[in-house]
Amino acid sequence: DTGVSQNPRHKITKRGQNVTFRCDPISEHNRLYWYRQTLGQGPEFLTYFQNEAQLEKSRLLSDRFSAERPKGSFSTLEIQRTEQGDSAMYLCASSQPREMDTEAFFGQGTRLTVV
Amino acid sequence: AQKVTQAQTEISVVEKEDVTLDCVYETRDTTYYLFWYKQPPSGELVFLIRRNSFDEQNEISGRYSWNFQKSTSSFNFTITASQVVDSAVYFCALATDSWGKLQFGAGTQVVVTP
Repeated sequence: DTGVSQNPRHKITKRGQNVTFRCDPISEHNRLYWYRQTLGQGPEFLTYFQNEAQLEKSRLLSDRFSAERPKGSFSTLEIQRTEQGDSAMYLCASSQPREMDTEAFFGQGTRLTVV
Repeated sequence: AQKVTQAQTEISVVEKEDVTLDCVYETRDTTYYLFWYKQPPSGELVFLIRRNSFDEQNEISGRYSWNFQKSTSSFNFTITASQVVDSAVYFCALATDSWGKLQFGAGTQVVVTP
C-alpha cells in the first residue's frame, strides 16, 4: 500500500459546473477525512467517515458539497454549481479504527481552480 | 472554541542555523492532543509528532525537538542545524476527539538557504 491516493491532482472548471474528487485511503483504515486548504492557510476540516457512516460535517460544508463513502472504502467529494470561492486544495486523510487511533495520513490533495 | 495560533508567517535562515517555530493553542478540553505536520512543496502533509495533554515531557528526535508547556499553552518546535531539505510549511494542530479531526494553525513557511 503506497498511502492515501487522491484523483485528480488538478482540476480546472468553469464557474457553475459540478466537480467530483476521489480519495482512496490506506486499505486497513476505516476513518476517512476531508479538508480544504486555501492559499496561505492551514487545512480546514470538512467532514469525516467511519466506514460508510458520515459522522460529522463542518459548517463549512455548504449544501453544494456532498461527500460519500458507499462501501466504506474510497470516498468522493462532489461540489455542485462551483463558485470562484471554491478554488482551493482539497485534502483527504485516513486513520485507523478508534481503539487503535493513530495519526492521520494525508494524500497529496486535489487542487481545484474555478475560472 | 478551539484555536491554534502560529504567529510567524515565514522564517528565513541560512543552512546550519537553528530555527524555532512557535505554536499557541486554546481549548477548554482537559484532554487534548497536539501535533506538528510538515508540508513540502509536493503538498502532502507529513506527520512529525503527537503529544498528549497529560504528558509534558519534551521530546527530541534527531535534529527536531519539541517543547510543550501547558502553563503557557504552547507547543514549540525547534529544528537544530537546519538543512535545505527542511524548507517547507510547518503546521501545528490540535485535536480533542479523533486524531484525524484536526484544528490547524495557519502554518509557518521555513526557508533554508545554502
